[in-house]
Amino acid sequence: AQSVTQLGSHVSVSEGALVLLRCNYSSSVPPYLFWYVQYPNQGLQLLLKYTSAATLVKGINGFEAEFKKSETSFHLTKPSAHMSDAAEYFCAVSFSSNTGKLIFGQGTTLQVKP
Amino acid sequence: DTGVSQNPRHKITKRGQNVTFRCDPISEHNRLYWYRQTLGQGPEFLTYFQNEAQLEKSRLLSDRFSAERPKGSFSTLEIQRTEQGDSAMYLCASSPGTSGDNEQFFGPGTRLTVL
Repeated sequence: AQSVTQLGSHVSVSEGALVLLRCNYSSSVPPYLFWYVQYPNQGLQLLLKYTSAATLVKGINGFEAEFKKSETSFHLTKPSAHMSDAAEYFCAVSFSSNTGKLIFGQGTTLQVKP
Repeated sequence: DTGVSQNPRHKITKRGQNVTFRCDPISEHNRLYWYRQTLGQGPEFLTYFQNEAQLEKSRLLSDRFSAERPKGSFSTLEIQRTEQGDSAMYLCASSPGTSGDNEQFFGPGTRLTVL
């Protein structure tokens, strides 16, 4: 079955430290891949997406993600965490070019400590 | 602002009552999606419209749920005879184009509490 797994429901880093949020998908065909961020009481905002162009994708707010087909992964990174990065992050995949419906991971809450 | 809007933002109802939510997508976005998000989980797909046609429904969408998108503009999601298990955040998203890699733009959601 097609699925998305985010390893670690909570990640805590110090301000200025590297942020690494993990995402793996299960599919025989590379899907379209997305990272969304959700701040409290707000909707989801797109950080970046992979659509079979460059494997290293740069997004907003200094985030980037690398698609690794051999590992079926799409991990999200940021070199230096900022307090404002504290939020919930969702990895999502679209396996259907017809509908574009998204399958989301369970989310990772990022805590940034001063 | 021309983002996706949803109304109401919060709804508290008693078990057994009917509720209706509205979503206004970004103008000219032909795709519209409904998702449900429970506490501590990622959003789960409920249903999808291409213009006014409802083209896919999840098995999560029981007979008590119905969605419409008349004239391919706004959409409504109705839940009949609400149950406590329906308590969740209901998210609407819209997307341009017809490709699977199109970004979905999400509204702020409607939080439903069933007492």
